[in-house]
Amino acid sequence: AQKITQTQPGMFVQEKEAVTLDCTYDTSDPSYGLFWYKQPSSGEMIFLIYQGSYDQQNATEGRYSLNFQKARKSANLVISASQLGDSAMYFCAMREAGGGATNKLIFGTGTLLAVQP
Amino acid sequence: NAGVTQTPKFRVLKTGQSMTLLCAQDMNHEYMYWYRQDPGMGLRLIHYSVGEGTTAKGEVPDGYNVSRLKKQNFLLGLESAAPSQTSVYFCASSYHYVAGGSYNEQFFGPGTRLTVL
Repeated sequence: AQKITQTQPGMFVQEKEAVTLDCTYDTSDPSYGLFWYKQPSSGEMIFLIYQGSYDQQNATEGRYSLNFQKARKSANLVISASQLGDSAMYFCAMREAGGGATNKLIFGTGTLLAVQP
Repeated sequence: NAGVTQTPKFRVLKTGQSMTLLCAQDMNHEYMYWYRQDPGMGLRLIHYSVGEGTTAKGEVPDGYNVSRLKKQNFLLGLESAAPSQTSVYFCASSYHYVAGGSYNEQFFGPGTRLTVL
């Protein structure tokens, strides 16, 4: 069965430092997509970055980058130059196998990031 | 564009009462989803719809019903609320998936916090 694992329930990082949030996934489908969402304390879900299984390069979006290691089945989110506003819950998600028909996502349990001044 | 909106934002029910959560999107998305978020469990899919007039069960459908009579609306019903249904409910929507196309990320509403006493 497909599964997303986020093993870090919580993390601290100093402002202006980089931080890596871990995500591993399990799927037997060669075609899949990986997403990261941010959930600040206000509660909304904000899409951050996407990596497709066939993408040759790691995805980047501003200060966010995805360290995609296909053989290890990991898709870690790297946030560079952390800001206080980065304090939030971060979710890794995967588009299900055969997701073309439904675009359903499977979510991990999240990592709560606290940025310290 | 309002994006994805949810009504109500907060609700308190007594065990056995019924209610309907309304989700509306103005992005002409084909697909819509209902999730529940519980501490330490990430987001779990309750029901979803791939088009007007269609619905399907997700991971945790028991105790919930849905309807998608109009493309822009997706209703989640609780016929007889139970304390185990105390949660934050998120609605999301997306375009239909096209292989090799855009990310097809899901867009989320602001959430509804439901407490069942």
